Amino acid sequence: EVQLVESGGGLVQPGRSLKLSCAASGFTFSNYYMAWVRQAPKKGLEWVATISTSGSRTYYPDSVKGRFTISRDNAKSSLYLQMNSLKSEDTATYYCARHRYRFDYWGQGVMVTVSS
Amino acid sequence: DIQMTQSPASLSASLGETVTIECRASEDIYSNLAWYQQKPGNSPQLLIYDANSLADGVPSRFSGSGSGTQYSLKINSLQSEDVASYFCQQYNNYPNTFGAGTKLELK
Repeated sequence: EVQLVESGGGLVQPGRSLKLSCAASGFTFSNYYMAWVRQAPKKGLEWVATISTSGSRTYYPDSVKGRFTISRDNAKSSLYLQMNSLKSEDTATYYCARHRYRFDYWGQGVMVTVSS
Repeated sequence: DIQMTQSPASLSASLGETVTIECRASEDIYSNLAWYQQKPGNSPQLLIYDANSLADGVPSRFSGSGSGTQYSLKINSLQSEDVASYFCQQYNNYPNTFGAGTKLELK
């Protein structure tokens, strides 16, 4: 059974940093692209970042490019999202997802609140 | 960026009814479209991919169709467990983009 479990969320002040983690199990992690998708409270879904199988290629929308960094450790079957220079508009639930063009498995999500 | 316009924003239907949700892309996305269901308090779940392929474990009352810029999700014989929000997503280009969502309620 595919499982994705996020951790590392919380309350952070604007301008500060936070790192999210996602532990994957139930599939061969190193064979799949992985992604982060977020959802602001009562809002829709926004793709945040994608990383290739080896980690050599990463993709971001303009809204987070230069501030967020996605990475992975295939030996630990883990995905990460380093978020710097956080803004209030980054407040959202962040989901880890397996990315096979579509997002075919999602974690339960972790809440990030950016507020002073 | 490709804009995904989803309609309606909300929908109220009766048990057993057939429901259709539409998604229009701002340019041709060549059937690179997925539909997701998100029940209250839960994470999204994949329903349909490649515009018309049913994801594993999804009931056959769900179906997808469309091509080019116009796509739709149909739910036959609405069940109480179908109360949820539904989102479309294009993966033809980066950035992958989502529709704003349709909230489906029971009448």
